[in-house]
Amino acid sequence: NAGVMQNPRHLVRRRGQEARLRCSPMKGHSHVYWYRQLPEEGLKFMVYLQKENIIDESGMPKERFSAEFPKEGPSILRIQQVVRGDSAAYFCASSPIANSNQPQHFGDGTRLSIL
Amino acid sequence: GESVGLHLPTLSVQEGDNSIINCAYSNSASDYFIWYKQESGKGPQFIIDIRSNMDKRQGQRVTVLLNKTVKHLSLQIAATQPGDSAVYFCAENGGNNRKLIWGLGTSLAVNP
Repeated sequence: NAGVMQNPRHLVRRRGQEARLRCSPMKGHSHVYWYRQLPEEGLKFMVYLQKENIIDESGMPKERFSAEFPKEGPSILRIQQVVRGDSAAYFCASSPIANSNQPQHFGDGTRLSIL
Repeated sequence: GESVGLHLPTLSVQEGDNSIINCAYSNSASDYFIWYKQESGKGPQFIIDIRSNMDKRQGQRVTVLLNKTVKHLSLQIAATQPGDSAVYFCAENGGNNRKLIWGLGTSLAVNP
């Protein structure tokens, strides 16, 4: 009974490169959420997607960041032209339905380091 | 032991003691609250949740208390074990299902 799967677990990029982070939700879950965490801080919401739709991207920077959740395949968080400030842990969560009373289940994150 | 989590404080308890972790939430519209446990290098793990129409909910060794009047949430862990050592976060839904709003977390250290 696989949980939320994220890969890669660690990603190193040089400034100006692109970073692609992947997330496969739990089986049966069609709602995906991306969060960012800096050391010793709580998670900060970035974007909420359903299959083929972005529902809420209010927490995502307007430039360089994009997210998708295609009909087939994992959800992708893409960061273009990375800068040092993008270094963080990025977590993906999923839930079965859009219900306020359902907990989100998290993957183990991707640690992004920018050289 | 007891702690208020606003700056990632550390709560240190002896094995077998009860722990109380506190959280002040921010949004009056929040109607769903969750406690997560995060171990080093891992993602948040769901512990227990509570809806705003309740003021107490119990799980296995854990109890969550909700005081909507003062917007306060607490997590009680009974008979704390070394495996409970982690950072604990409270999260609120801000009145909708689209995102969770997270506190800063409290680090729990259990001394054997």
